[in-house]
Amino acid sequence: SQQGEEDPQALSIQEGENATMNCSYKTSINNLQWYRQNSGRGLVHLILIRSNEREKHSGRLRVTLDTSKKSSSLLITASRAADTASYFCATDSLTGGGNKLTFGTGTQLKVEL
Amino acid sequence: SAVISQKPSRDICQRGTSLTIQCQVDSQVTMMFWYRQQPGQSLTLIATANQGSEATYESGFVIDKFPISRPNLTFSTLTVSNMSPEDSSIYLCSVDTSGRGEQYFGPGTRLTVT
Repeated sequence: SQQGEEDPQALSIQEGENATMNCSYKTSINNLQWYRQNSGRGLVHLILIRSNEREKHSGRLRVTLDTSKKSSSLLITASRAADTASYFCATDSLTGGGNKLTFGTGTQLKVEL
Repeated sequence: SAVISQKPSRDICQRGTSLTIQCQVDSQVTMMFWYRQQPGQSLTLIATANQGSEATYESGFVIDKFPISRPNLTFSTLTVSNMSPEDSSIYLCSVDTSGRGEQYFGPGTRLTVT
């Protein structure tokens, strides 16, 4: 599968600062999603942005999408220690009436007190 | 949303043996997905499982190694056969109940093969 790439691979910030993660992908998409994973457990869906959208907000999260550059960014504002996790972008393609996701390489975020 | 459980949560197995992982969803879903996450890596889709039909496997994954059952709309199993240490990974199932592409994941099964 064509996996997207994320940068940085790891990010360490102080509580209260903003964290920005970037995702690049290779194929045309229907939508792009961001997920969080705590300590190697199950993933939690954070936000979905459609290919015809450029920006989307959800609480402290802001996602942008630039389909011409095949890239997206996730901004977490006013970070908290509880935001410490791995963050993955995922792009979808249609298959047989359902969507299958291709995940990026992930960014490990550490928020220090 | 959906509540998904997986059994076992973790296991340590000897090479050459097989392990069957169960995935239970609290609502009926058409498609279920199985992923593998190798240590320190991202998720890779193994296969998509539809109820009543054969699973669709991604490139690099074959039915003999990862047989999947989907007996009803709330349950699926993934078997990791003839295991080797390279199969040590977290295995996750997921579903899309929204129809919008958002997937909900189980807590994962952490497999260690010795």
